[in-house]
Amino acid sequence: EAGVAQSPRYKIIEKRQSVAFWCNPISGHATLYWYQQILGQGPKLLIQFQNNGVVDDSQLPKDRFSAERLKGVDSTLKIQPAKLEDSAVYLCASSLMLESLNIQYFGAGTRLSVL
Amino acid sequence: AQSVTQLDSQVPVFEEAPVELRCNYSSSVSVYLFWYVQYPNQGLQLLLKYLSGSTLVKGINGFEAEFNKSQTSFHLRKPSVHISDTAEYFCAVRNNNAGNMLTFGGGTRLMVKP
Repeated sequence: EAGVAQSPRYKIIEKRQSVAFWCNPISGHATLYWYQQILGQGPKLLIQFQNNGVVDDSQLPKDRFSAERLKGVDSTLKIQPAKLEDSAVYLCASSLMLESLNIQYFGAGTRLSVL
Repeated sequence: AQSVTQLDSQVPVFEEAPVELRCNYSSSVSVYLFWYVQYPNQGLQLLLKYLSGSTLVKGINGFEAEFNKSQTSFHLRKPSVHISDTAEYFCAVRNNNAGNMLTFGGGTRLMVKP
């Protein structure tokens, strides 16, 4: 079974530029999550999708971050404009269902450096 | 609100020695508990989970953890570590009333020395 795919693996941009990350979840997984992992910290949930609907985006900085999952499969996370403090690893995870004991499976992440 | 505290940011240990990585949580309702491992430049991989039942949970790679409700702890243990166990370990809690939302601790870096 293929895992969660993310691209790119690394991205370096200057502050005020925009950037986008892509995630392809495990086939059949209805729930998709984006996490931000700042160096030396645990992952923090940014947004949670069930199919193509947003379940929770309470911790997403909506003035600069946006995410979509238009067809209920792949998802993109965008930052515009980026700030220095956005430097982090952005992890995507997926699970079979939302209201269940299903486990979240993580991708390898995209490491973003904002200069 | 729930929170997770991992008391040690780094744990150095010699190969074949036992290790314990500590995790404490706070929550006003019952929870599910997880340990994930993150190898360099990789995503998180589930080591083990506690959902209900026996408080001693066995996971992959010889790790186990014990849920202690009175102490609100879920410490991870391994009787004999290998060099390959060098990684970052994250404890996470899920409120069983929530929609699969995980709250992670800050992580503990396990450094196994030869």
